[in-house]
Amino acid sequence: QSVLTQPPSVSAAPGQKVTISCSGSSSNIGNNYVSWYQQLPGTAPKLLIYDNNKRPSGIPDRFSGSKSGTSATLGITGLQTGDEADYYCGTWDSSLSAAVFGGGTQLTVL
Amino acid sequence: EVQLVQSGAEVKKPGESLKISCKTSGYSFTSYWIGWVRQMPGKGLEWMGIIYPGDSDTRYSPSFQGQVTISADKSISTAYLQWSSLKASDTAMYYCVRLRTVPDIPIVDYWGQGTLVTVSS
Repeated sequence: QSVLTQPPSVSAAPGQKVTISCSGSSSNIGNNYVSWYQQLPGTAPKLLIYDNNKRPSGIPDRFSGSKSGTSATLGITGLQTGDEADYYCGTWDSSLSAAVFGGGTQLTVL
Repeated sequence: EVQLVQSGAEVKKPGESLKISCKTSGYSFTSYWIGWVRQMPGKGLEWMGIIYPGDSDTRYSPSFQGQVTISADKSISTAYLQWSSLKASDTAMYYCVRLRTVPDIPIVDYWGQGTLVTVSS
């Protein structure tokens, strides 16, 4: 059971927008930066968003991140079939003195 | 180009020991934290621990403290994850990762390709 809660799955049609939530507490998201990772089937994860809302070079602006209080959100616009993947949020937990991931969300592009 | 190249898949029996490796290149090995992440079959990502090769400062996530040992060899820019006595529940994919900055801002900017460890009698 992760300290960060994500919905197990979300789905949307190609071209549409989807959001994935990541809920935590004051010991993690509330007081620390959030990152997001994309794991395509059978591959290692890849960094999508860091410092709540920054994109590494090469990540299209269809991907965005935000944080409010103890929750963070990943947004993906203009959905493509190639976006079908598992998405994970991650941050530091000050109570655990450890980095943590959310349980992951499987995105299906219908 | 930054690369993290992990050792190959392993099949072991319960009770056996194992050490897997992560050979890095393309950056200063002693200047970045290296970590290990577990992914059990069909499950999510779990932080195991991290090491700073510059001074061997090592920190374990609570669930993995005492269960594994993380180490690094600066002379060959390689990090290791080892078990002294494997259990069937250690069956998983293990990723080595590089942290972009400090541990309490755990941004993973590079991932190894993963090492699949299967423990079965």
